[in-house]
Amino acid sequence: GENVEQHPSTLSVQEGDSAVIKCTYSDSASNYFPWYKQELGKRPQLIIDIRSNVGEKKDQRIAVTLNKTAKHFSLHITETQPEDSAVYFCAASRDYKLSFGAGTTVTVRA
Amino acid sequence: DAGVTQSPTHLIKTRGQQVTLRCSPKSGHDTVSWYQQALGQGPQFIFQYYEEEERQRGNFPDRFSGHQFPNYSSELNVNALLLGDSALYLCASSGQYRGLAITDTQYFGPGTRLTVL
Repeated sequence: GENVEQHPSTLSVQEGDSAVIKCTYSDSASNYFPWYKQELGKRPQLIIDIRSNVGEKKDQRIAVTLNKTAKHFSLHITETQPEDSAVYFCAASRDYKLSFGAGTTVTVRA
Repeated sequence: DAGVTQSPTHLIKTRGQQVTLRCSPKSGHDTVSWYQQALGQGPQFIFQYYEEEERQRGNFPDRFSGHQFPNYSSELNVNALLLGDSALYLCASSGQYRGLAITDTQYFGPGTRLTVL
């Protein structure tokens, strides 16, 4: 089955700096890569996604890049704000089944 | 536009008991997936229902079973509960949206926190 690895497990950044989270996947047939943000005690919320026919996607301060050859994808958050503090999960999808990474706890220091 | 809803919010059971969790998908969605999220970990795929049938299953024992109703809502049943079944159980819905073909974009419900004592 699909195996998704996510790094780092924790990330502390100064407010206004950028944060980068990286994921690798094992199944070359995976074709959809969403990112979810989960605040303490709340549901995972989809923040951005990318499909295998696209190399990069941006939505305001958030961007995702995908390298199909290397089987890795990354989340970039620019100009971080305190409300960006949360756990972020990457996922890879094949046949509508999501396989998640272990998560990255992001702390934005004021 | 109603989002994904789940009930109950919290549940406490003892080992050996059985539990049923419920999920109503987002309006217009016809596919329901269930995930188990242990504390400090990412969600793990349990199974997915589409057209009232189990379409895919993850690496979970047969103690975990489900059902989808004609209105697309779904239930997750867990028999013979073990301490290790304590987790947040998440339901996610996907499917046709605004007449488009089936999409794999999944939206999560708030989850049911199950504690097994």
